[in-house]
Amino acid sequence: GAVVSQHPSWVICKSGTSVKIECRSLDFQATTMFWYRQFPKQSLMLMATSNEGSKATYEQGVEKDKFLINHASLTLSTLTVTSAHPEDSSFYICSAPVTGADQPQHFGDGTRLSIL
Amino acid sequence: KQEVTQIPAALSVPEGENLVLNCSFTDSAIYNLQWFRQDPGKGLTSLLLIQSSQREQTSGRLNASLDKSSGRSTLYIAASQPGDSATYLCAVRGTGGFKTIFGAGTRLFVKA
Repeated sequence: GAVVSQHPSWVICKSGTSVKIECRSLDFQATTMFWYRQFPKQSLMLMATSNEGSKATYEQGVEKDKFLINHASLTLSTLTVTSAHPEDSSFYICSAPVTGADQPQHFGDGTRLSIL
Repeated sequence: KQEVTQIPAALSVPEGENLVLNCSFTDSAIYNLQWFRQDPGKGLTSLLLIQSSQREQTSGRLNASLDKSSGRSTLYIAASQPGDSATYLCAVRGTGGFKTIFGAGTRLFVKA
């Protein structure tokens, strides 16, 4: 079945560092991918829609310059948290939709980001 | 804008009980609805998917129903076990752009 791979699974870094998270669709092409953020004991909040070959679409309240999204190929989307601060610490998870109402949405295993 | 609500927010039951988790959504123009399980600190595990044209889906001890017109779905767990303890998330995929919107989840604790 379709699989989405997300890397890294855990990142700990100093404040001010930029962190890149990769999301890959392993056996299907994804013209669109979604990036979510989850704070402890809260649900997943959609941050942005990544579109292959064009600009990402950000949800209201999400800083475009803070969370840079690049979807350079049909199998790879990246999220870069620029100049990360402790308040950016969170669980980030990507997903790729598969065409077909009977197909479940596939999610990566998530990246836990901790900014010291 | 789609909004998804889950009730209750938390639930604690003794082992063996049957239980129902509720999910409601405001926009009935959905592609499908998916129930997920999330263990602490982990990613999502897909449990059941119901297409917009379907009324229910079953997998083992789990049964999910969908009433699109009223904007409601339920997840029924039969004969609960301690291993069922997790957060259960309801996710609605819209017809425009295929965005998936999540509810806040129900944290379930099954006592042995």
